[in-house]
Amino acid sequence: GDSVTQMEGPVTLSEEAFLTINCTYTATGYPSLFWYVQYPGEGLQLLLKATKADDKGSNKGFEATYRKETTSFHLEKGSVQVSDSAVYFCALSGYSGAGSYQLTFGKGTKLSVIP
Amino acid sequence: DAGITQSPRYKITETGRQVTLMCHQTWSHSYMFWYRQDLGHGLRLIYYSAAADITDKGEVPDGYVVSRSKTENFPLTLESATRSQTSVYFCASSTGGTNEKLFFGSGTQLSVL
Repeated sequence: GDSVTQMEGPVTLSEEAFLTINCTYTATGYPSLFWYVQYPGEGLQLLLKATKADDKGSNKGFEATYRKETTSFHLEKGSVQVSDSAVYFCALSGYSGAGSYQLTFGKGTKLSVIP
Repeated sequence: DAGITQSPRYKITETGRQVTLMCHQTWSHSYMFWYRQDLGHGLRLIYYSAAADITDKGEVPDGYVVSRSKTENFPLTLESATRSQTSVYFCASSTGGTNEKLFFGSGTQLSVL
């Protein structure tokens, strides 16, 4: 079945540092790929997405490129802020055998940004 | 714009008791989902529903029951709660389709003593 593997956390960075969170996936067909973010005490919310190979999703300074050849969707940001402290989830969306679709999540990576 | 709401926000119960977690969405989204979030496991799908009266199992359905008699409601019932069901539960909804994002509720933190 589909699966998502993302780097273990927690990740601690100083403000203005460069961020990379690695994500690789296994899926049949052509899934869509997502990054969700969860701030403390809240539900998840979509950060960015890419729906086909070589697409780049971007939002709030974060970027990720859908690399089919390496089955990866790494999240990057050039200069993190304290307000970026959160848990980040990589996810893929694909069709189940019954014809409906499901979203499969990675285990999450906790990011802490210190001033 | 109420969106998607979960209740209760926090719940403490005892082993063996029946517990129902509520989820309500105001968008008429066809798809609804229940996930549980546990340290070291991330989010795992319990059940999902593609439409009213259509439900299907996810990755970890044992010990849970769902129903969807109306499009806007998707309650999750723990028929006989166990300590291993202590978790944070998230409900989500979507219009459907692999390109569409999920909208999540704020979660229910459940403790089974």
